[in-house]
Amino acid sequence: DTEVTQTPKHLVMGMTNKKSLKCEQHMGHRAMYWYKQKAKKPPELMFVYSYEKLSINESVPSRFSPECPNSSLLNLHLHALQPEDSALYLCASSQVGAGMNTEAFFGQGTRLTVV
Amino acid sequence: KQEVTQIPAALSVPEGENLVLNCSFTDSAIYNLQWFRQDPGKGLTSLLLIQSSQREQTSGRLNASLDKSSGRSTLYIAASQPGDSATYLCAVTGRRALTFGSGTRLQVQP
Repeated sequence: DTEVTQTPKHLVMGMTNKKSLKCEQHMGHRAMYWYKQKAKKPPELMFVYSYEKLSINESVPSRFSPECPNSSLLNLHLHALQPEDSALYLCASSQVGAGMNTEAFFGQGTRLTVV
Repeated sequence: KQEVTQIPAALSVPEGENLVLNCSFTDSAIYNLQWFRQDPGKGLTSLLLIQSSQREQTSGRLNASLDKSSGRSTLYIAASQPGDSATYLCAVTGRRALTFGSGTRLQVQP
């Protein structure tokens, strides 16, 4: 099973709402990632978790709050977002190994619209 | 900072043609390179992974090459089909996870 599952598929939220995106994998991967993709642009790295610890935060605003409760789950908590945060949010996972020679697998994404 | 460039940005070909997509990167200190396919509004599907020590990988009608020293990779698609229409992204794995190129939008005309 090489599947990364993201929920929900679509989300519309107001600027004062609090919502969460969820990502799950059962491949035994110990690295998990959040990427943000705007229309017709490549994915941009937001956060990396390695062994359930945050290892990279690409200077993401604090209105985005990641959480990795266990090795299979990754959440992204959203609060007080702006319309420019509307994008496709992608979750990925990979093995963590010597030299990081690993294949990354992506979910189908959550299409977020902030109104 | 790693920069990844893909040429061409868009490509339209008639069905049955063989085609080549190009990817270049500025920092040769990579662990691997991956080619992905993305359909509109969807996630990324991994097509091929080339380890930094490898020169080539093949999967069906797809063949990817890697020349790490010159910072280049190519994706060769044989006998293109309308179902191949999508955006193709290359990504390199370095110290800071995957860095993506901006993609090549491919349209295969029936």
